[in-house]
Amino acid sequence: GAGVSQSPSNKVTEKGKDVELRCDPISGHTALYWYRQSLGQGLEFLIYFQGNSAPDKSGLPSDRFSAERTGGSVSTLTIQRTQQEDSAVYLCASSFRTGATNEKLFFGSGTQLSVL
Amino acid sequence: KQEVTQIPAALSVPEGENLVLNCSFTDSAIYNLQWFRQDPGKGLTSLLLIQSSQREQTSGRLNASLDKSSGRSTLYIAASQPGDSATYLCAVKETSGSRLTFGEGTQLTVNP
Repeated sequence: GAGVSQSPSNKVTEKGKDVELRCDPISGHTALYWYRQSLGQGLEFLIYFQGNSAPDKSGLPSDRFSAERTGGSVSTLTIQRTQQEDSAVYLCASSFRTGATNEKLFFGSGTQLSVL
Repeated sequence: KQEVTQIPAALSVPEGENLVLNCSFTDSAIYNLQWFRQDPGKGLTSLLLIQSSQREQTSGRLNASLDKSSGRSTLYIAASQPGDSATYLCAVKETSGSRLTFGEGTQLTVNP
């Protein structure tokens, strides 16, 4: 596609429910990142996928959060038993390749998650 | 642990002014540094990327500089316009296979 696509753009859920957020990266991009941006805060790294390598999950805040990337393309971020503090904008980014110092990240428009 | 700080947190200027946004980072062993723009309710748009071996990059009215030894980068915006109003974020990448670490951003308002 022309850019990084995220869906849904908005999600309202009740506390305790599970949610799935989807990211479709730019075609051919091998690296994919998930970040979270809470109101008035900076971007918080969640997880990073690079090709077939084991993902860097070091930013996931709890075991309620998980992510997968199927076929090296689409990624899904799953939050189980959502809590109100999970409310944030979840941003996905992709890049063409790592190993190059001029590697740029391209971001999607994000999913606004609201947990009531 | 890398920490990125941006000063000021907010800036309001009249149209036409030249301005400088500052970014500092604690670990100077970086791979690259990227400046982004974020409009309300939108994702991030990459403005400029400076590789570790470079000192500056320019695009139109934007110029970004990098001083690794002092852990600083600046984003210079010439002849500011109301359309430049947005939040500007800097981010550093420490190694080829690592995450970007972001600052909290500078919210810029350019008044007509």
